[in-house]
Amino acid sequence: QKEVEQNSGPLSVPEGAIASLNCTYSDRVSQSFFWYRQYSGKSPELIMSIYSNGDKEDGRFTAQLNKASQYVSLLIRDSQPSDSATYLCAVGEWQNFVFGPGTRLSVLP
Amino acid sequence: DGGITQSPKYLFRKEGQNVTLSCEQNLNHDAMYWYRQDPGQGLRLIYYSQIVNDFQKGDIAEGYSVSREKKESFPLTVTSAQKNPTAFYLCASTPGNQPQHFGDGTRLSIL
Repeated sequence: QKEVEQNSGPLSVPEGAIASLNCTYSDRVSQSFFWYRQYSGKSPELIMSIYSNGDKEDGRFTAQLNKASQYVSLLIRDSQPSDSATYLCAVGEWQNFVFGPGTRLSVLP
Repeated sequence: DGGITQSPKYLFRKEGQNVTLSCEQNLNHDAMYWYRQDPGQGLRLIYYSQIVNDFQKGDIAEGYSVSREKKESFPLTVTSAQKNPTAFYLCASTPGNQPQHFGDGTRLSIL
């Protein structure tokens, strides 16, 4: 059974700080990695995709992938109260697309 | 606008009743998926379909059924055999080996 694990949180950071969200996965052959943001009562929204080792930056978001360690992370710089949400890590392709349980982030004004 | 439309937004099921959740997409995506999300939990795959007239069971298919008669449509029926149907149901689609995009979801409760 393929597994994706995340710190359950909640993770609380002050406004303006860096939020660091972590994810580990069990399937070594996975090639695709994603971060989704889900506001309470809403559907998940894709915010980052990463396919190769290293860092990928998009605005205030940076995804980091280390396939050897089976680890993917999401950094949110200059965190804003509007970033308060649950962040879901997803790994895999087609029907082998597995979601982690999510980490709830709270950004305190 | 292109997107994935789920209806209804809220649905109530009586004991012994089957209910059907609608999912329609106008993105011309081949693959469609149904997930269930329980409070504080991640998403669990119910069924998926990669082409018309073909679909496969996911991790928690018992008590659910689907059809894929048209590329645009992938309805999910929650049968009376599903004893704990209260959850948030999410439909997703993708053109291929790409990240999934979701509809707004249907919240199902028991009366």
